[in-house]
Amino acid sequence: EAQVTQNPRYLITVTGKKLTVTCSQNMNHEYMSWYRQDPGLGLRQIYYSMNVEVTDKGDVPEGYKVSRKEKRNFPLILESPSPNQTSLYFCASGARVKGDTQYFGPGTRLTVL
Amino acid sequence: GENVEQHPSTLSVQEGDSAVIKCTYSDSASNYFPWYKQELGKGPQLIIDIRSNVGEKKDQRIAVTLNKTAKHFSLHITETQPEDSAVYFCAASPLFGNEKLTFGTGTRLTIIP
Repeated sequence: EAQVTQNPRYLITVTGKKLTVTCSQNMNHEYMSWYRQDPGLGLRQIYYSMNVEVTDKGDVPEGYKVSRKEKRNFPLILESPSPNQTSLYFCASGARVKGDTQYFGPGTRLTVL
Repeated sequence: GENVEQHPSTLSVQEGDSAVIKCTYSDSASNYFPWYKQELGKGPQLIIDIRSNVGEKKDQRIAVTLNKTAKHFSLHITETQPEDSAVYFCAASPLFGNEKLTFGTGTRLTIIP
């Protein structure tokens, strides 16, 4: 089954404790992206990657890191989480061809205390 | 950068009636406009999209219209059913389509049986 998977689905942590949210896709997509979703703000792009070893900042990259060492994986790293990073996070992937769409993962709900 | 405004934020309609959600965008370079449906506990899923060389597109009960001059596009759902209840997001992109999406803030649609 073609899908985007994220782990963990739920995470409660404390300020300053480094964490990684994993994202994996099995569709051989070149493009991958991370979004955060907050009430009243919609989805905002954090980082995106056009292909392996190619990453770029989205609209809200502060406090986040990413890496793209393999085509299928695109982990999101919070080196020192803060309460304002409490949010619902979505990973997405897509083929870089005209007419294709982004496929979203099920989301990770992160709470930073 | 691009700014996408979406209205209304909430919408309730009787089952069988039509629902209309409207979005405006700011960047005249945008040429790809998808609509996503997000059900409770899931990631957004594409339901229909339109490109700037087309004024209207229809897929069964769902249609999207685009007015590039006025920089606005709308989602129309006819003969609404309870399973249409969800949060709907519009988005805009100046690229191929699945990259650099800027999302609206979402509309929570409730279908009243």
